[in-house]
Amino acid sequence: QKEVEQDPGPLSVPEGAIVSLNCTYSNSAFQYFMWYRQYSRKGPELLMYTYSSGNKEDGRFTAQVDKSSKYISLFIRDSQPSDSATYLCAMRGGSYIPTFGRGTSLIVHP
Amino acid sequence: DAGITQSPRYKITETGRQVTLMCHQTWSHSYMFWYRQDLGHGLRLIYYSAAADITDKGEVPDGYVVSRSKTENFPLTLESATRSQTSVYFCASSPTGDTNEKLFFGSGTQLSVL
Repeated sequence: QKEVEQDPGPLSVPEGAIVSLNCTYSNSAFQYFMWYRQYSRKGPELLMYTYSSGNKEDGRFTAQVDKSSKYISLFIRDSQPSDSATYLCAMRGGSYIPTFGRGTSLIVHP
Repeated sequence: DAGITQSPRYKITETGRQVTLMCHQTWSHSYMFWYRQDLGHGLRLIYYSAAADITDKGEVPDGYVVSRSKTENFPLTLESATRSQTSVYFCASSPTGDTNEKLFFGSGTQLSVL
């Protein structure tokens, strides 16, 4: 079993939908949780960063961490076609090297 | 603001040939990383470097060699390319390696080994 599990999708939703992307993990030492967005033929870019448990909101994006369940989520409200991309979760414990999930491909169709 | 650049963007080579992928960053970041990205596996760490002349193995280092004689450059060499090394390769950098820092990625090199 991989340390970080993420469903690769693809996830296809209509424009305006609320999107929920999720990762589970097994390493209880993880404390720093990140979501990267990767457009086709580009490198990943950091979208959201959260430390420990709780929620963090940035515009239409909300990152949620539940350490007791070892489960993290990224919610996208009012999804747009420009949100179509691959979303990778990543997490760290004491090391500066993050562990990435496989990424979920999101398609938002007009 | 050039950031982090990878070259070449695309490369086709044959089995057994030596190939070098280049990575250059203009920020003087201490930490640099090489990842490969494959369907079904996501991003896997090949090698990383905490500073010039300091490198270490990641998850999948076999068949790869790195060097870092200058802070800004971190080339990745496939000594004798195999078909299983067909992949998209990403270089990344990070300023100080603090656990709350993000990685800055290049645009990738798509490598095909025939």
